[in-house]
Amino acid sequence: DGGITQSPKYLFRKEGQNVTLSCEQNLNHDAMYWYRQDPGQGLRLIYYSQIVNDFQKGDIAEGYSVSREKKESFPLTVTSAQKNPTAFYLCASSTGTSGATDTQYFGPGTRLTVL
Amino acid sequence: QQQVKQSPQSLIVQKGGISIINCAYENTAFDYFPWYQQFPGKGPALLIAIRPDVSEKKEGRFTISFNKSAKQFSLHIMDSQPGDSATYFCAASNNNDMRFGAGTRLTVKP
Repeated sequence: DGGITQSPKYLFRKEGQNVTLSCEQNLNHDAMYWYRQDPGQGLRLIYYSQIVNDFQKGDIAEGYSVSREKKESFPLTVTSAQKNPTAFYLCASSTGTSGATDTQYFGPGTRLTVL
Repeated sequence: QQQVKQSPQSLIVQKGGISIINCAYENTAFDYFPWYQQFPGKGPALLIAIRPDVSEKKEGRFTISFNKSAKQFSLHIMDSQPGDSATYFCAASNNNDMRFGAGTRLTVKP
């Protein structure tokens, strides 16, 4: 059963703590992405990776960090430097080639709440 | 700067009616235009997509109309059903750089 999994589904964090969100895919996709979703603002790109051991900042990377040590995994760390981290976080993957195969497939999301 | 503008923000349609959501983009380099459907608490799921070499694509009750010269595209949902109630996002992409509209919350009343 191929797809993208994210864990945990819900995450609560105290101010000042770092937390790591997990994203795993078994679609053999090269590219992986992290988005943040806030009400009424659509999806905003945090980080993306087109190949193992390489990643680039998206539009709102400040306060976040990522790693891409394996093709299947792209964890996101929300650091204490992120001023407003409460949001719904979505991980996606794609084959990594341009054109019709640009389709991004999304995981079920992690809802992070800062207490 | 918002590269993809989506309207309306919310839409209420009666069962059996037609739902129409519009998007406009700025970057002429975009070459792939998907629509995603998202239910509360879930990740977006690809609904239908189009490339700029065609003006229309239909899959079941869902149709994308694409106007390259106007840099606009729209989603039409025919015979709308209560189960279609969800948030819909348009997107535009080039070389894996995908930009999303702000979303339209569709409610289909029985």
